[in-house]
Amino acid sequence: DIQMTQSPSSLSASVGDRVTITCRASQSIGNYLNWYQQKPGKPPNLLIYAASSLQSGVPSRFSGSGSGTDFTLTISSLQPEDFAAYYCQQSYSTPRTFGPGTKVDIK
Amino acid sequence: QVQLQESGPGLVKPSETLSLTCTVSGDSISSHYWSWIRQPPGKGLEWIGYVYFRGSTNYNPSLKSRITISIDPSKSHFSLKLTSVTAADTAVYFCARANSDYFFSLDSWGQGTLVTVSS
Repeated sequence: DIQMTQSPSSLSASVGDRVTITCRASQSIGNYLNWYQQKPGKPPNLLIYAASSLQSGVPSRFSGSGSGTDFTLTISSLQPEDFAAYYCQQSYSTPRTFGPGTKVDIK
Repeated sequence: QVQLQESGPGLVKPSETLSLTCTVSGDSISSHYWSWIRQPPGKGLEWIGYVYFRGSTNYNPSLKSRITISIDPSKSHFSLKLTSVTAADTAVYFCARANSDYFFSLDSWGQGTLVTVSS
């Protein structure tokens, strides 16, 4: 199985801050990396697919980069509705695996 | 706009079988990969497996001996069965579409259903 790690596991930030979350795969996954946002009591919502492609309807302040084993999700200017958990997921091979998540809360 | 809705019992006894159905609307079920994911309370996401519309499946090896995912295109739904459940199977179960046009990302999700394993 491909293991996914994320850092940090949590962070505190203020509205307007630039936030960066890192995801690492245990082996190369090309660009088969997806990012999701999850708010309490809700299902995850796809933000980025193929490492850097913005899902339709997702604000442009979200961006993704990376390939191979190292990936980054960036929120350019944090908004109140962005306080949530963020998960990366590889869709390169089965079993699909998720990172453990990064919780973004208010400083 | 595709919509998915899980249904099934919210309480299952230990050693019994968990059965859930996901009904798909707004899109043909005859394409893409239809998936199950679960999330224990307060924890992260675990991929369970998927079924392709032609019936081929792929399961998480950690659960493979206990799970069956099936599809009924005529009813536009797909199903999950998990046998011999224990308290460790208590989780919110989500169904989702893995879009083969978008790197198999999970682009549409049901709202999730909490299944508690308890006597």
